[in-house]
Amino acid sequence: DAGVIQSPRHEVTEMGQEVTLRCKPISGHDYLFWYRQTMMRGLELLIYFNNNVPIDDSGMPEDRFSAKMPNASFSTLKIQPSEPRDSAVYFCASGASSHNEQFFGPGTRLTVL
Amino acid sequence: GNSVTQMEGPVTLSEEAFLTINCTYTATGYPSLFWYVQYPGEGLQLLLKATKADDKGSNKGFEATYRKETTSFHLEKGSVQVSDSAVYFCAMSTDSWGKLQFGAGTQVVVTP
Repeated sequence: DAGVIQSPRHEVTEMGQEVTLRCKPISGHDYLFWYRQTMMRGLELLIYFNNNVPIDDSGMPEDRFSAKMPNASFSTLKIQPSEPRDSAVYFCASGASSHNEQFFGPGTRLTVL
Repeated sequence: GNSVTQMEGPVTLSEEAFLTINCTYTATGYPSLFWYVQYPGEGLQLLLKATKADDKGSNKGFEATYRKETTSFHLEKGSVQVSDSAVYFCAMSTDSWGKLQFGAGTQVVVTP
């Protein structure tokens, strides 16, 4: 298995632009998680899905952030409009309810100028 | 509320030294406990886990024992290598499945 795939690996954009991060979970996994990692705040869970349905989005910082999972093999995290304080590494992780373990993707390093 | 506290880094060691990273938790109920490792430029990888009191998780020479009486899950390795240089995260899950709460992470630097 290729593992969790995230794209792009690096994104540099200007303040006010829309940013879309993409994730392909491991086939057969029924949970998908989006995290944000910064030096100041560490790892934060933004949102997670079970069987493509959002279960808990209490970590989404504000309305500028939205996430979708249109099918079992694809999810997006969108920031519109982006701000410099959104600069961080964004991780996607997936897991199977039978194993209680999360597998992380390599992350997307976002820089908002 | 629920929380995970781990020792601050960086921890700098010489090769073949003994490593301990302390982790304590606060939770209602009986959480599952995890150690994840993050190598430079990569995502987190599960290192080991324990799901009930007195369980010992082990992997790649690392060990951690779930101590309910002290609410701790300290990570240990008897002889570290340069390749163990990474950031180590303690985490717990109190939900029926999945939602992890992470500690702040501890950077470990092993020098030759």
